[in-house]
Amino acid sequence: EVQLVQSGAEVKKPGESLKISCRGSGYNFNTNWIGWVRQKPGEGLEWMAIMKPDDSDIRYSPSSQGQVTISADKSISTAYLQWSSLKAPDTAMYYCVRGVSGYFDIWGQGTMVTVST
Amino acid sequence: QSALTQPASVSGSPGQSITVSCTGTSSDVGTYNYVSWYKQCPGKAPKLMIYGVGNRPSGVSNRFSGSKSGNTASLTISGLQAEDEGDYYCNSYTRSGTYVFGTGTKVTVL
Repeated sequence: EVQLVQSGAEVKKPGESLKISCRGSGYNFNTNWIGWVRQKPGEGLEWMAIMKPDDSDIRYSPSSQGQVTISADKSISTAYLQWSSLKAPDTAMYYCVRGVSGYFDIWGQGTMVTVST
Repeated sequence: QSALTQPASVSGSPGQSITVSCTGTSSDVGTYNYVSWYKQCPGKAPKLMIYGVGNRPSGVSNRFSGSKSGNTASLTISGLQAEDEGDYYCNSYTRSGTYVFGTGTKVTVL
């Protein structure tokens, strides 16, 4: 079965760092795009970033550029999204997605990140 | 990069057909046939419903169809059923090599 399994919910304080993960299985992780989508509480979906593990082609949305870092460890078929200094507005559900020919066919279950004092 | 524009809500009676629009620009929807649609139920991850403007993934009912004209893409649900309720989002590839989602539409079955 093709699936993406994400790490668990996180509660952090402003200014802390964080790295969440997404492990792919049942397909060739290295040759498929893997990306992240944000959904703030009560709001819509927002595309953040995508990369191709095999050639490290990385693209960010203008609003995500410089705010987060997407990366991947091909040896364990895992993608990451990390922050160096979290802010309260980063509170959201984060979904990882598999990108295929211009669409996202597989979604992870989501990782809830809460940033609060 | 602005979000694609969708109506906030669309409703219909069981058995009717409804259409959800998704308006972008010549930098995204108008140029590329990489338009996809996703359905999200409360508390769940989104699910792919349409890709490549009008293609259905395996397992998605043929009551769902997609099309595009100029800078506007559309999702049509025919024979509306109670199970079709949810939030629907369009997505498009952009000239920048990135992607953009629509603002989302709440579909209600009356």
